[in-house]
Amino acid sequence: KAGVTQTPRYLIKTRGQQVTLSCSPISGHRSVSWYQQTPGQGLQFLFEYFSETQRNKGNFPGRFSGRQFSNSRSEMNVSTLELGDSALYLCASSLDWAGGPREQYFGPGTRLTVT
Amino acid sequence: DQQVKQNSPSLSVQEGRISILNCDYTNSMFDYFLWYKKYPAEGPTFLISISSIKDKNEDGRFTVFLNKSAKHLSLHIVPSQPGDSAVYFCAASDWGTSGTYKYIFGTGTRLKVLA
Repeated sequence: KAGVTQTPRYLIKTRGQQVTLSCSPISGHRSVSWYQQTPGQGLQFLFEYFSETQRNKGNFPGRFSGRQFSNSRSEMNVSTLELGDSALYLCASSLDWAGGPREQYFGPGTRLTVT
Repeated sequence: DQQVKQNSPSLSVQEGRISILNCDYTNSMFDYFLWYKKYPAEGPTFLISISSIKDKNEDGRFTVFLNKSAKHLSLHIVPSQPGDSAVYFCAASDWGTSGTYKYIFGTGTRLKVLA
């Protein structure tokens, strides 16, 4: 079974621009979460989507947004980029069932550099 | 407010010995905990999880212990191997309350296993 894929893997943008990152979850996984990883901060939860609906959200400004499509693929968008947005953005997918939580499977990430 | 803390940024252990990685949390609503391993340029890989109804879970060389009264969990790796050298993250979720995949991650501990 193919793992979580993220595109692009690397991206360089200028302050003020916007960017869209893409994530394809493992087949059959309907929950997709996004995380931001910066040095010293660990992984910070951005948001989680399930069945095209945002189910949970972290403490990030409104410049960070996302969506999920009917095939469970997800995109996240960052508008008006700031230098502090430079980070590794990780997408994770999970099987969702009523029996309880399951582990998340992560993609390789998109390394965003804002200059 | 860091709800999940890994107070040791790094740890060095001799090959064949035990590695013990620690994690503390503050939110008593957390009911599901996981450990992930991360190599450079890759996404985190799931290692082992534990539900709050248990105090121990074992999978091969990896054992996770949960002390709910102390709000503390630890990961034991026995015996440690050079291939275990990576950054280890603990994560927690309040699945029972929220029913969503919002995992809170610690900042990670870099484990180096010396040959």
